Amino acid sequence: GDSVTQMEGPVTLSEEAFLTINCTYTATGYPSLFWYVQYPGEGLQLLLKATKADDKGSNKGFEATYRKETTSFHLEKGSVQVSDSAVYFCAPTLGGGSQGNLIFGKGTKLSVKP
Amino acid sequence: DTGVSQNPRHKITKRGQNVTFRCDPISEHNRLYWYRQTLGQGPEFLTYFQNEAQLEKSRLLSDRFSAERPKGSFSTLEIQRTEQGDSAMYLCASSSLAGGLRGTQYFGPGTRLTVL
Repeated sequence: GDSVTQMEGPVTLSEEAFLTINCTYTATGYPSLFWYVQYPGEGLQLLLKATKADDKGSNKGFEATYRKETTSFHLEKGSVQVSDSAVYFCAPTLGGGSQGNLIFGKGTKLSVKP
Repeated sequence: DTGVSQNPRHKITKRGQNVTFRCDPISEHNRLYWYRQTLGQGPEFLTYFQNEAQLEKSRLLSDRFSAERPKGSFSTLEIQRTEQGDSAMYLCASSSLAGGLRGTQYFGPGTRLTVL
């Protein structure tokens, strides 16, 4: 069945370090791909999305590229800040297409130290 | 756009009691989703509506759970005869079928349920 595998955390980095959080998925059809972020004590917020192969989603310095051939959607940021400390979730749409319900990974907790 | 709102934010109940949660989606969003998130895990899909029609239910949604969206606007999720295993954060999300951001789900703050 459809599933998503996300890099396990916690990940601890120093400020200005480079961040990669790996995400791979198995899905039928042609899913849309999302990264959501959950800051401490807050709800899920959309970080970025991509809807077709080779699309790059970007927001707040974060980027992820839809790699259909490797079924991956790795999240990257060149220089993390303390304010980026949060839990990050990779989520493709279930059953392909752009409008299905989401399958979430377990989340990767990021802690950035000053 | 006021975002997705959920009430109550917290609910503590005793095992065996019934509880009801409410979700108000972003106005004019056709689709409304319910998810459940337990500590340390990602959200798990429960059910979704397109307008007032409930189109899909997860096998996680036992017969003690019922959801409605009577006029295609707000939705309620009721849990009957609560069990301790129902303790979780219940999340609501909505999305539009049209426009440049179609299919993108926007989440509410959640209702945290604690069953004693």
